[in-house]
Amino acid sequence: QQQVKQSPQSLIVQKGGISIINCAYENTAFDYFPWYQQFPGKGPALLIAIRPDVSEKKEGRFTISFNKSAKQFSLHIMDSQPGDSATYFCAASLYNFNKFYFGSGTKLNVKP
Amino acid sequence: GAVVSQHPSWVICKSGTSVKIECRSLDFQATTMFWYRQFPKQSLMLMATSNEGSKATYEQGVEKDKFLINHASLTLSTLTVTSAHPEDSSFYICSARETSGAHQKYFGPGTRLTVT
Repeated sequence: QQQVKQSPQSLIVQKGGISIINCAYENTAFDYFPWYQQFPGKGPALLIAIRPDVSEKKEGRFTISFNKSAKQFSLHIMDSQPGDSATYFCAASLYNFNKFYFGSGTKLNVKP
Repeated sequence: GAVVSQHPSWVICKSGTSVKIECRSLDFQATTMFWYRQFPKQSLMLMATSNEGSKATYEQGVEKDKFLINHASLTLSTLTVTSAHPEDSSFYICSARETSGAHQKYFGPGTRLTVT
């Protein structure tokens, strides 16, 4: 059973536009939800993370929106730039446990 | 931020040989390190969790005799792919969590393994 489902698989956005990636999770016990950015041939880098006690977290151009009742969370990239072109992974875990459940990834292409 | 390094960044080996990949936490101590495998255009799959000074915990379906993990110090974990076969070709990524207990995990840059 896939614990975290991510969509879309790929996304094309014009420079300056808003990129939106969605994730849904199954386990209501999850309480840590990070987003990772990965460039080709590189390891993932933490972008932003949220815990379920807040509905939104913003860091610069990146915002996580969290809907606990719907068991969904999303990443919004405002004013998308070509340098944002990468693969984005959402994940979920129990805060004090080691195992992260990753989404399937979204390949973002920001057109100049 | 904390840095995790991996060595080598890429390696080519012949079928039947073994290859060792190192994962180091450069500026923090990591009681726990994780090894992931990633196929092209796919997500990360956790292979095993290693704790310093003890045996690794392998995920279901991962052959522990084929993927040997050693976590001998608080800054170094190694993954040895034994008797490698072409199907072992993949991108291997390690991750480390600070001993301080922070939940943040830092990922290494990955190692591309190609078995010919």
